[in-house]
Amino acid sequence: DQQVKQNSPSLSVQEGRISILNCDYTNSMFDYFLWYKKYPAEGPTFLISISSIKDKNEDGRFTVFLNKSAKHLSLHIVPSQPGDSAVYFCAASEDSGNQFYFGTGTSLTVIP
Amino acid sequence: DAGVTQSPTHLIKTRGQQVTLRCSPKSGHDTVSWYQQALGQGPQFIFQYYEEEERQRGNFPDRFSGHQFPNYSSELNVNALLLGDSALYLCASSPSLVRGDTQYFGPGTRLTVL
Repeated sequence: DQQVKQNSPSLSVQEGRISILNCDYTNSMFDYFLWYKKYPAEGPTFLISISSIKDKNEDGRFTVFLNKSAKHLSLHIVPSQPGDSAVYFCAASEDSGNQFYFGTGTSLTVIP
Repeated sequence: DAGVTQSPTHLIKTRGQQVTLRCSPKSGHDTVSWYQQALGQGPQFIFQYYEEEERQRGNFPDRFSGHQFPNYSSELNVNALLLGDSALYLCASSPSLVRGDTQYFGPGTRLTVL
C-alpha cells in the first residue's frame, strides 16, 4: 500500500517560472517530510525538509509547504533553472522510526 | 571524500541464484540503510544497520539479509532470486541513527534477474 503518493509523473516548466511539485500521504502518524532530487546515474540527494510542527520551510529558491489537515505537501522552486531538471521524490517518516516512505517521483523538465 | 560507494555497478543473475551487494559509507558515517527501487517506483526501505546490528526492517522477506562490518561498510544479500527482485539497490549512510537531511545515497547497483 503506497502511503506516499506523487500523482504527477512529469512536469515541464519554462525557465524563470515557478515549479510546483505535489505529494500526498495517507498515514496521519507521519511527522517529518523531505524532498530529494535525483539525477540519472546518481543516488538521490537531500533537498529540503519540514517537520509537522511547521507549515512552511524555505531554503533559497526552494520552499516546502505542509498542509496537515489535507495530508498534502508541495515543493515550490522559484525561479526554475535548467539545472533543476531531475526526478524529485518526497519522503515521510514517523518520529519513532528511521524508516522513510518514498513517493514514486515526479520528473521535472525546465525548458530554457 | 569519496562519498557513498557501491559495488558492483551492474549485475545480471538468474532466478534461484544468490547475490551480494556492497556499500562503503561516507567517511564519518556509522549507519547504513538499504533501499530497493523498482522501475517507475520510489525507493523502498529494506533495512538499516547500526553498530553491526539490524536496527529496523521494512516489509521484505527473509531472503533479504545484510551485514555491517566493524569499518561500517555493509553488504546486502538476496537468496533465491526472483524476477521481481530486478531493481536498483541503493545504499544510504548517515552519521547517526538517521535524520533524512543527513542521509547520503550512493549511485546504486542495478540488479537484473533473468
